[in-house]
Amino acid sequence: AQTVTQSQPEMSVQEAETVTLSCTYDTSESDYYLFWYKQPPSRQMILVIRQEAYKQQNATENRFSVNFQKAAKSFSLKISDSQLGDAAMYFCAYRSARGGSEKLVFGKGTKLTVNP
Amino acid sequence: NAGVTQTPKFRILKIGQSMTLQCAQDMNHNYMYWYRQDPGMGLKLIYYSVGAGITDKGEVPNGYNVSRSTTEDFPLRLELAAPSQTSVYFCASSSAGVGANVLTFGAGSRLTVL
Repeated sequence: AQTVTQSQPEMSVQEAETVTLSCTYDTSESDYYLFWYKQPPSRQMILVIRQEAYKQQNATENRFSVNFQKAAKSFSLKISDSQLGDAAMYFCAYRSARGGSEKLVFGKGTKLTVNP
Repeated sequence: NAGVTQTPKFRILKIGQSMTLQCAQDMNHNYMYWYRQDPGMGLKLIYYSVGAGITDKGEVPNGYNVSRSTTEDFPLRLELAAPSQTSVYFCASSSAGVGANVLTFGAGSRLTVL
């Protein structure tokens, strides 16, 4: 079974600085998808960024980028120019590309605090 | 578009009571999911559906039931509430194919069983 591990329960960053959130995963599959979701105090889960495992290029969405290391099974999220609105829980998630595997497997999350 | 709508947002139940969490989406998504989130934990899949009339168990289905009579609605039923079911419940949906990778979540329903 696949597992997702986020080793940092909490992180903090100064406004306008850069922070990196770590995520590792365990799988025997070669084709899969990885995601970072943000959960602000409103509780709603919001997709931040996604990465297809077959793509070597790291995904980027504005201030958010990932460092995808397939061999190391690592998928970290970098937030540049941090803003107060980035404060939230961040969840890393894995999904198999195999047909019939609709389940997203989540890590336990990292709570990000942004200090003014 | 409303996206994914969950009701109620909050509910307190007594042990042994039953209730239904409602979930509706207006995006014509084929796939729908129910997750629960316990304090300090990630989300765990309870049940999911790949289309009307088709449902399947996820990681933690015990104590729950679902039905999918229409594309839009995916209610989650708790028959005999237990304190272990105290959690925040999230409904989500996605389209089929490549779109299945992008889940749209509802705002969550906080359930407390006393």
